[in-house]
Amino acid sequence: DIVMTQSPDSLAVSLGERATINCKSSQSVLYSSNNKNYLSWYQQKPGQPPKLLIYWASTRESGVPDRFSGSGSGTDFTLTISSLQAEDVAVYYCQQYYSSPYTFGQGTTLEIK
Amino acid sequence: QVQLQESGPGLVKPSETLSLTCTVSGGSISPYYWNWIRQPAGKGLEWIGHIYTSGSTDYNPSLRSRLTMSVDTSKNQFSLSLTSVTAADTAVYYCARASSGYHYYFDYWGQGTLVTVSS
Repeated sequence: DIVMTQSPDSLAVSLGERATINCKSSQSVLYSSNNKNYLSWYQQKPGQPPKLLIYWASTRESGVPDRFSGSGSGTDFTLTISSLQAEDVAVYYCQQYYSSPYTFGQGTTLEIK
Repeated sequence: QVQLQESGPGLVKPSETLSLTCTVSGGSISPYYWNWIRQPAGKGLEWIGHIYTSGSTDYNPSLRSRLTMSVDTSKNQFSLSLTSVTAADTAVYYCARASSGYHYYFDYWGQGTLVTVSS
């Protein structure tokens, strides 16, 4: 199985400041034939299902604010929130869909400082 | 807008079978891969497995021996059956759609249903 490790486990950022969450996979999730990274990011608020934010490592889902961005390739990825808003408080998960079983990171809890 | 809704018993006794159904509305169940994902309280997400509308399946090896999935395209539903449950199977169970293909991200999720395994 591909192990996904996120850092940090929790993060406190001031409103309007940048938040950065890292995700590392135990093996590359870059598929060479199409040069796509099979990596997605989800946001989960209490009592709600996860919400897709980013797929193919850097493509923003429709309707997701442009303050959310994804970057990285191979085994190292980053989710960045450029200017934290109060509604961004949530747990964030990365997930690989390169190979089955599909696996998630342990989650990063984002709070307001 | 595609919507998914999980349904099934909220309480299952140890050693019995957990059965859930996901109903898809607002769009066709075909031709997509339909997934089950679970989340114990306060913990992370675990992919359980998926079923294609043809009926082909892929299960998480950690659950494969106890797991069966099925699909009923006429009812726009797919189902999960997990046998010999223990307290470790207590979780919120989500159904989700894989956008566009086999190895794809999950773009639509149900609200989730809590299943508690207890006598």
